[in-house]
Amino acid sequence: SQKIEQNSEALNIQEGKTATLTCNYTNYSPAYLQWYRQDPGRGPVFLLLIRENEKEKRKERLKVTFDTTLKQSLFHITASQPADSATYLCALDHPHRAGNNRKLIWGLGTSLAVNP
Amino acid sequence: DTAVSQTPKYLVTQMGNDKSIKCEQNLGHDTMYWYKQDSKKFLKIMFSYNNKELIINETVPNRFSPKSPDKAHLNLHINSLELGDSAVYFCASSIGRVGTGELFFGEGSRLTVL
Repeated sequence: SQKIEQNSEALNIQEGKTATLTCNYTNYSPAYLQWYRQDPGRGPVFLLLIRENEKEKRKERLKVTFDTTLKQSLFHITASQPADSATYLCALDHPHRAGNNRKLIWGLGTSLAVNP
Repeated sequence: DTAVSQTPKYLVTQMGNDKSIKCEQNLGHDTMYWYKQDSKKFLKIMFSYNNKELIINETVPNRFSPKSPDKAHLNLHINSLELGDSAVYFCASSIGRVGTGELFFGEGSRLTVL
């Protein structure tokens, strides 16, 4: 079955540097992959979606790459700020039994701390 | 104006009790979900509805019964609560059919069973 691995250790970086978070999967390549941000006591908030035929997607200071050969997505935050401190979750689509329905399966997330 | 709102935010109850969590979305989405996030922060889908029709029931015990009176509401009723039910329950919604596109989450309902 599909497994998702994200860095279990917290990532600490200095303000202004680029944060790079990793999402690896073990089995088939998903049709698309999503990244979410979750703050303590809050629900996940969608950030970016990248499809299997896209190598890279950008939104402001965020960049996501998708390498189906390596079975990996990288999530970058450039010019990081203390306000970027949160847990970042990746999620992959997964077929759900018969029919066209799919569901998302989630990584455990990586905690990012940006120090001023 | 909250897009996905769920109530209550906190529930503390005894084992064996029954409790309900309500969810409403004002985004006009067709699909709604219930997710459970356990103490290890693992997020797992429980149910999904599309236009009031149950699409995904992810081997959740029968004690959990979702109800969707209309496509803007998805409630969760839990009977005979057990210690292992303690978790944060998130409601979410999305455009279109189940499992496609981005999800919009509520703030979560933290359930503690004593």
